[in-house]
Amino acid sequence: GAGVSQSPSNKVTEKGKDVELRCDPISGHTALYWYRQSLGQGLEFLIYFQGNSAPDKSGLPSDRFSAERTGGSVSTLTIQRTQQEDSAVYLCASRDKRGAHTDTQYFGPGTRLTVL
Amino acid sequence: RKEVEQDPGPFNVPEGATVAFNCTYSNSASQSFFWYRQDCRKEPKLLMSVYSSGNEDGRFTAQLNRASQYISLLIRDSKLSDSATYLCVVKGASGTYKYIFGTGTRLKVLA
Repeated sequence: GAGVSQSPSNKVTEKGKDVELRCDPISGHTALYWYRQSLGQGLEFLIYFQGNSAPDKSGLPSDRFSAERTGGSVSTLTIQRTQQEDSAVYLCASRDKRGAHTDTQYFGPGTRLTVL
Repeated sequence: RKEVEQDPGPFNVPEGATVAFNCTYSNSASQSFFWYRQDCRKEPKLLMSVYSSGNEDGRFTAQLNRASQYISLLIRDSKLSDSATYLCVVKGASGTYKYIFGTGTRLKVLA
């Protein structure tokens, strides 16, 4: 079946521009996570969506970062006024909270963001 | 102290060797544990979950030691294709949803 998809796969932008990253989770997965992975670093939690509940935004590094999830499916992560330190791979993961493998996250291929 | 700590390596081992990685975690209430594999410039993929009794999947064996708060991954008969970064992942107490990732241990299997 289809896995988690993300677009674009690569994004190069100039400092100060806004960017929008998209995540399409596995159909039926109610939980969705965004992470950031900088070179040589572990995955850094950004935000968590679960169904219609209020998202946990505690990992967003600044108010330039925002995310939404429309209709409980597709999610977009927006970074305003990008800075060079925003350069990283942005990974999305979804999880099915029902069934036997409720703890397993499935990752998308990521968006590699480069801010010049 | 980091919540999840791993030796970054790299571990360079010859084909056929047995190699073991450890990972320590700080939250004693943690309930779920995983090993993920991440190839260069790719997304993490679940290798195996780690159960209290230990579990094995082919050449891979995972163990959990709650008393000492560490998990381990043993790879037997290493293959060139095992070269990757292995991420230790810990999830908190039941009902929580956050996963804490280690920075990974890099393995290189040499011909």
